[in-house]
Amino acid sequence: RKEVEQDPGPFNVPEGATVAFNCTYSNSASQSFFWYRQDCRKEPKLLMSVYSSGNEDGRFTAQLNRASQYISLLIRDSKLSDSATYLCVVNQGGKLIFGQGTELSVKP
Amino acid sequence: DAGVTQSPTHLIKTRGQQVTLRCSPKSGHDTVSWYQQALGQGPQFIFQYYEEEERQRGNFPDRFSGHQFPNYSSELNVNALLLGDSALYLCASSLLGNEQYFGPGTRLTVT
Repeated sequence: RKEVEQDPGPFNVPEGATVAFNCTYSNSASQSFFWYRQDCRKEPKLLMSVYSSGNEDGRFTAQLNRASQYISLLIRDSKLSDSATYLCVVNQGGKLIFGQGTELSVKP
Repeated sequence: DAGVTQSPTHLIKTRGQQVTLRCSPKSGHDTVSWYQQALGQGPQFIFQYYEEEERQRGNFPDRFSGHQFPNYSSELNVNALLLGDSALYLCASSLLGNEQYFGPGTRLTVT
């Protein structure tokens, strides 16, 4: 079993749609959690940290459920520029463990 | 404020050769981590350096080694290259291993 598992992609959605990504992790000792965004052939960029209380940054909302070891990312009002691969990441003592990533394609 | 920089951007080597990749961390960061990303996969942790010492290591053979210098910059060395070492090598810097910021990567092709 992979340490971090994400929804398989790709997700193809129209502009303006709401899309949700889910992720589970296996190590309950994981300390902090993130979503990264990666454009084709580029480096991952930190999108947002994820907290148990939930956090929001504009159109993006992230949620963590430690009991279920579950992380989510919601994108509202999708834009063409949101097309990318979204990586679920857990931090274990400074070592980042990445999911395989979910590809999102937003169409006009 | 310069972000994380890496060199070279691309590299082509043949099997059996050795390669050195370089990374300069973001200003104010003291920890450098290296990751390998194969096509279609998420990055895999290789190792992390803090205070010029390897702090922890992922599941990579001893052919992969590194170094951190007093100015916090770092090198990744890979010996006896295999075809399977072809990947994007990413360096990430952070303060004490917290939020990590990635450089643009070095794309290594082994032929």
